[in-house]
Amino acid sequence: GAGVSQSPSNKVTEKGKDVELRCDPISGHTALYWYRQRLGQGLEFLIYFQGNSAPDKSGLPSDRFSAERTGESVSTLTIQRTQQEDSAVYLCASSLAWRRDPTYNEQFFGPGTRLTVL
Amino acid sequence: GESVGLHLPTLSVQEGDNSIINCAYSNSASDYFIWYKQESGKGPQFIIDIRSNMDKRQGQRVTVLLNKTVKHLSLQIAATQPGDSAVYFCAEIHRDDKIIFGKGTRLHILP
Repeated sequence: GAGVSQSPSNKVTEKGKDVELRCDPISGHTALYWYRQRLGQGLEFLIYFQGNSAPDKSGLPSDRFSAERTGESVSTLTIQRTQQEDSAVYLCASSLAWRRDPTYNEQFFGPGTRLTVL
Repeated sequence: GESVGLHLPTLSVQEGDNSIINCAYSNSASDYFIWYKQESGKGPQFIIDIRSNMDKRQGQRVTVLLNKTVKHLSLQIAATQPGDSAVYFCAEIHRDDKIIFGKGTRLHILP
């Protein structure tokens, strides 16, 4: 496929369980981004990867959140011991690179994973 | 699909008129700004960007203005069309590469 894909599209889980969200970026895109969007609110930046490394993890809401990327490709966002406030749509995006230039920085977003914590 | 921005400020504009969407940013150290458009049920889509060393940048039917003195960013859309109906977000990128999104504004195009 030509776009960013995410799986699952929907995830319903019970409070306290762990969840893993997956993002497949556009092939050749070295930069990958994770965002969270709660209902009725704007985008909340979580973390970005340049290659397989994340220069800054301070955007992750708590230590229950972690993310990794391998092979400069797939990324997973893991939420441990989920809480109801984690319910949101989690969006992934990728771009050619992380530079202040639209040629490289234009982000293409996936459809998101809707997470519902009961 | 996902219903975005239920409680966001809404701007209603007659089709064919120009619209201006405003955004106040928080950090004077931000050096790069982006506008995104998000249609209902879809992910955000890049519209236009501007660096902090510029005051104005034009794209196709869109213009972004940056006023660093008052930390204000605006997006002007000329001759609005029904397809412009969406939620518009501004994003500021700090020099340390943190990305901060604004709350968003819903643009509603009236027929």
